[in-house]
Amino acid sequence: DQQVKQNSPSLSVQEGRISILNCDYTNSMFDYFLWYKKYPAEGPTFLISISSIKDKNEDGRFTVFLNKSAKHLSLHIVPSQPGDSAVYFCAARSGNMLTFGGGTRLMVKP
Amino acid sequence: DADVTQTPRNRITKTGKRIMLECSQTKGHDRMYWYRQDPGLGLRLIYYSFDVKDINKGEISDGYSVSRQAQAKFSLSLESAIPNQTALYFCATSEQAGTSQYFGAGTRLSVL
Repeated sequence: DQQVKQNSPSLSVQEGRISILNCDYTNSMFDYFLWYKKYPAEGPTFLISISSIKDKNEDGRFTVFLNKSAKHLSLHIVPSQPGDSAVYFCAARSGNMLTFGGGTRLMVKP
Repeated sequence: DADVTQTPRNRITKTGKRIMLECSQTKGHDRMYWYRQDPGLGLRLIYYSFDVKDINKGEISDGYSVSRQAQAKFSLSLESAIPNQTALYFCATSEQAGTSQYFGAGTRLSVL
């Protein structure tokens, strides 16, 4: 069973609006969470991360929120831009390994 | 030049053939990883290595083997390819275990 799940395979948002991508996990041993962005024909690239001792981390237009009691994290992008159109993966760390979610394809329409 | 280079970028092979995917990096990282990506399943870890003499199985190592020839090189082999190994394969490196990883552009493998 998948320990990290992204239940929305795709999301469409208008340019300038907020994009919210969600991720749920089941393993309480995860202590660090990351978001990656992937464009077609390229490898994933690191976007933003958060430690399990925090509930929010912000970097420019990108903010990650962590709700440990709900085992849920989300990535907010505001304002969304057409260049943000990509597949977004959340990942969670336990020990030496990262476990990835299935990805959400974000489409930002001009 | 890319920090993490995978070759080939695309490969079509037949069932039963042996195939090797290569990965080299210029980041100077000790830790290297091989993942496969399937639609809806994200990236799943096949093998990882924390230095030249260290090889560890990941979540889905059956049917695969790896070789860490040098700090900068980590190759993945399919000894006898089968159709359900058709996937997108990524190599990655990291400075510390479990922190942000740097990925190559991927190898798209089709096994007919």
